[in-house]
Amino acid sequence: GIQVEQSPPDLILQEGANSTLRCNFSDSVNNLQWFHQNPWGQLINLFYIPSGTKQNGRLSATTVATERYSLLYISSSQTTDSGVYFCAVSPGAAGNKLTFGGGTRVLVKP
Amino acid sequence: NAGVTQTPKFRILKIGQSMTLQCTQDMNHNYMYWYRQDPGMGLKLIYYSVGAGITDKGEVPNGYNVSRSTTEDFPLRLELAAPSQTSVYFCASGQSEAFFGQGTRLTVV
Repeated sequence: GIQVEQSPPDLILQEGANSTLRCNFSDSVNNLQWFHQNPWGQLINLFYIPSGTKQNGRLSATTVATERYSLLYISSSQTTDSGVYFCAVSPGAAGNKLTFGGGTRVLVKP
Repeated sequence: NAGVTQTPKFRILKIGQSMTLQCTQDMNHNYMYWYRQDPGMGLKLIYYSVGAGITDKGEVPNGYNVSRSTTEDFPLRLELAAPSQTSVYFCASGQSEAFFGQGTRLTVV
């Protein structure tokens, strides 16, 4: 099956700093999502981005499908950005059976 | 907007007991999924359904059963609970973008 690797595995940031999280995948995908899992365990949808670039406030994401990677940018980080960020992909033509990466654990210090 | 609702939120089971995790969605999605998340890991697919009456196995189906009698509901059944099934269980729905419930934290002792 498809392999998903996220880097770095851990990230410690000072409040206000910028960061880039990376997701590499081993095969072509039709779906790609970024999630934030908050300290209470809830999975929050950040981006549905099988290709191209999207922005939502301080967060933005870019997926280069032909080169099999996606990037999540966090700008002016806040303590509420702490948690685990997951990339998940699906190669299927229909449906969304997601394969998750191992996550990037982010801690933003005040 | 309820989205995907899971019950219960927490449960402790003894080895060998059975239980059903409930999942319901109000977005009229045909596609629904069950995942499990072990500590420090990403989620893994247990079962999925592409519509009422149709279910199929995911990556880690052993020890679980599902049914899909309506578009809204997709319960997950654990028979003969084992310590290896201690995990957080997430239900999701959506054909393109997936939306997740808040999870059920299950401990088998």
